[in-house]
Amino acid sequence: DSGVTQTPKHLITATGQRVTLRCSPRSGDLSVYWYQQSLDQGLQFLIQYYNGEERAKGNILERFSAQQFPDLHSELNLSSLELGDSALYFCASSAPTGPDEQFFGPGTRLTVL
Amino acid sequence: AQSVAQPEDQVNVAEGNPLTVKCTYSVSGNPYLFWYVQYPNRGLQFLLKYITGDNLVKGSYGFEAEFNKSQTSFHLKKPSALVSDSALYFCAVRANNAGNMLTFGGGTRLMVKP
Repeated sequence: DSGVTQTPKHLITATGQRVTLRCSPRSGDLSVYWYQQSLDQGLQFLIQYYNGEERAKGNILERFSAQQFPDLHSELNLSSLELGDSALYFCASSAPTGPDEQFFGPGTRLTVL
Repeated sequence: AQSVAQPEDQVNVAEGNPLTVKCTYSVSGNPYLFWYVQYPNRGLQFLLKYITGDNLVKGSYGFEAEFNKSQTSFHLKKPSALVSDSALYFCAVRANNAGNMLTFGGGTRLMVKP
């Protein structure tokens, strides 16, 4: 168990809908990262937050947004969902200082029908 | 831009034999390199990392990796494979001047047969 929690584990929804994925980092970690894992695109970095502020942006679509709250949990919002958004979404966290490894949550499997 | 290549989609090895999973990278600046393992329906688990220092890095579950700067490689190795090592392995890199964004390779499926 990495200490990173994600809810829900599974999400099934229809095209055009909006969903919210939630992540709680390890105790003491200030950084939260979101990744998307799909068969065709592999594992792709979406966005990073550090202590409530956006720190880095990767291949995140404009239909997607994220935020990190004062208690350091983070939410990834996916809107106007398309079939191609079906994927595993991982959250990871890392220690506040140094080039430390990222610890990954169990993921949320999103299925868009 | 940084990138990682894992040239083998799958590696097959017999239990008890040594294993190698290959990884090459491209970054500007000095690299920070990581290996992760993913079991079915699970998140990624950290195995080991290279930041600086000794080129041979030892990690969890008996795995080790060798950093080779001239060949820009960071191959994962284990002297004696176990059936339970069968999983998906990911190599990742970030430059030391590029924030914490990790770039992952496409993954290599390791199959260890009894």
